[in-house]
Amino acid sequence: DIQLTQSPSFLSASVGDRVTITCRASQGISSYLAWYQQKPGKAPKLLIYAASTLQSGVPSRFSGSASGTEFTLTISSLQPEDFATYYCQQLNSYPHTFGQGTKLEIK
Amino acid sequence: QLQLQESGPGLVKPSETLSLTCTVSGGSMSSTNYYWGWIRQPPGKGLEWIGSIYYSGSTYYSPSLKSRVTISVDTSKNQFSLKLSSVTAADTAVYYCARRVVGFGSPIDYWGQGTLVTVSS
Repeated sequence: DIQLTQSPSFLSASVGDRVTITCRASQGISSYLAWYQQKPGKAPKLLIYAASTLQSGVPSRFSGSASGTEFTLTISSLQPEDFATYYCQQLNSYPHTFGQGTKLEIK
Repeated sequence: QLQLQESGPGLVKPSETLSLTCTVSGGSMSSTNYYWGWIRQPPGKGLEWIGSIYYSGSTYYSPSLKSRVTISVDTSKNQFSLKLSSVTAADTAVYYCARRVVGFGSPIDYWGQGTLVTVSS
């Protein structure tokens, strides 16, 4: 199985901050990585796929990038509704594993 | 608008079989364009991919659960199902059904709201 390691696991930030979350794959997955946002009691929501393609309807303050086996999700200017847990998922090979999650909290 | 809705018992006894159904509305499961799958999330923990199925019946399972999992599809009812046998407390989780577009690397674009299944005697 391909392992995905997210860092940090917890992140405290303020409205207006720029934040970056990293997801590192245990082996090459090309660009087959997606990012999801999950709020308490809700299903995850797709933000980005193919490492850097923004899902329709997702604000442009969200962006993704890739370098080898390291992927990043960046939020350029945090808004109050962005405080949530973020997960990466690899779609290169089965099983389609998830990272352990990054909880973004208000400072 | 596509909607997925999980249904099934919220309480299952240890050693028994967990059975859930996902009903798809607003779209046809017979389309060649989608995979249908299950993901779970233990309380307070992260997401775990369980498996997925194509309309034709082809299945893909997580190796860690493969010996206990069966996913099936009934396109005539626009439903697909999950069965997990010999459950223990470790299988207590919110179970989500989901859709993924066919295509290498395509992500999950629709999720059900999730249903909590507790394993307890």
